[in-house]
Amino acid sequence: AQSVTQLGSHVSVSEGALVLLRCNYSSSVPPYLFWYVQYPNQGLQLLLKYTTGATLVKGINGFEAEFKKSETSFHLTKPSAHMSDAAEYFCAVSPSGTYKYIFGTGTRLKVLA
Amino acid sequence: DTAVSQTPKYLVTQMGNDKSIKCEQNLGHDTMYWYKQDSKKFLKIMFSYNNKELIINETVPNRFSPKSPDKAHLNLHINSLELGDSAVYFCASSQMGNEQFFGPGTRLTVL
Repeated sequence: AQSVTQLGSHVSVSEGALVLLRCNYSSSVPPYLFWYVQYPNQGLQLLLKYTTGATLVKGINGFEAEFKKSETSFHLTKPSAHMSDAAEYFCAVSPSGTYKYIFGTGTRLKVLA
Repeated sequence: DTAVSQTPKYLVTQMGNDKSIKCEQNLGHDTMYWYKQDSKKFLKIMFSYNNKELIINETVPNRFSPKSPDKAHLNLHINSLELGDSAVYFCASSQMGNEQFFGPGTRLTVL
């Protein structure tokens, strides 16, 4: 069975500090991996995705994530947090060849001035 | 142009009523989904249709009935609403293996 684990339901960082949001997955087939961001009272929007190829993926707003197969991880990072990054972040996995998407429980990022 | 739209955005109703939420996508995707997001932000898949055929039907009370008249539309009808149905409902669409595009959500409040 496929699953996604996001460590830390709440993460606080100072403005300008490194952002690291953790995601581990399990999948019996090669996974497609996604990070989404949800701002208050809005739908989810894609930050970045990994399907095949380069394991370091760059997304919007300065975020990037690295697919590490040996560690079954897809952690999200940003070198310098901005106040506007405060939001809920979701990691998701879609086993290749399926229509199914499994979401993690989300991590709320708070950015301190 | 809005890629995935939902109506209504807010829905406030009494227990026991029946209500519907509509979703439309103009992205040409084959697959559409309904998710429920509770107050703790947990996203739960409810249903998925591919080319008007039901392909995912998670453990959801049979008071919830999806309907897809064509591949651009997926509606959700809820009978006999209960307090526990209060949540934000999101529609999404995708092509297999690609990212999902989400609608803005419908906040349902059952009184």
